[in-house]
Amino acid sequence: AQKITQTQPGMFVQEKEAVTLDCTYDTSDPSYGLFWYKQPSSGEMIFLIYQGSYDQQNATEGRYSLNFQKARKSANLVISASQLGDSAMYFCAMREVNYGGATNKLIFGTGTLLAVQP
Amino acid sequence: DARVTQTPRHKVTEMGQEVTMRCQPILGHNTVFWYRQTMMQGLELLAYFRNRAPLDDSGMPKDRFSAEMPDATLATLKIQPSEPRDSAVYFCASGLSVGTNTDTQYFGPGTRLTVL
Repeated sequence: AQKITQTQPGMFVQEKEAVTLDCTYDTSDPSYGLFWYKQPSSGEMIFLIYQGSYDQQNATEGRYSLNFQKARKSANLVISASQLGDSAMYFCAMREVNYGGATNKLIFGTGTLLAVQP
Repeated sequence: DARVTQTPRHKVTEMGQEVTMRCQPILGHNTVFWYRQTMMQGLELLAYFRNRAPLDDSGMPKDRFSAEMPDATLATLKIQPSEPRDSAVYFCASGLSVGTNTDTQYFGPGTRLTVL
C-alpha cells in the first residue's frame, strides 16, 4: 500500500533562514507524483510544488524547491529565506497512478507545523 | 484568478439534520474530489468524479453520505442524517484529468461542519 510519512510534527526556523521539511514515501508503482501543500491557520489548502517520478530535475517554484531522492524515496521541501507568512502546516502528498483509469486520489502525510520566528 | 469555491464556509447543525455542501470547480477542470479533514484521521478521500461520473466513493459512508455532480459547474456532498462524528472540514478539489493521470488538484477553502 502507498504511504506518506512526515516525521516532524513541528519545526521552528528563524526568519530569513532556510528550512527543510522531510517527507518519505512508499509505493511499488514506477510512476507517481509528489506534491506539497501549505495550510495556514485560515484553513485553505494551497498547492506549492509538484515532482513527477520521472522528472530528471528537482522541482522549484520561487522560494520552494523539492529535494527529490528517488532511491531513498524522499521528497523533502526546502523553503529558502523564510518569511513570517510561511508559518503554517505543510502536507506532503502522493498521487496514485492507476492505469485502470480509476482513482487518482492524493494520499497525505500527517503534516509538519512550521513556525517562523522573527 | 481561477479558484474552487465552496459553500457554506461554516455550518453548525443538530444531529439528525440534513447537510448539503456545494462546490464549484475551476472552469475547465474535469475532475472533482471531496476530502474530509479531521484531527484523528487527517485528510481522507470521500468521493471522486471525472467528467461528472462518480469513479470512486469507497471512502464515503454509503448509508448517510451521497455525492453528485448535477452539472459541470456544481458538485454536492450531502449528509442525511448528520451525526456528531461527521464534524470535520470538508474540502472540494478540482483538477484536469488527461488519460489516466490527474493533474494538480486545487483545493477550495473548505466547509467547516459542526454537528451538535
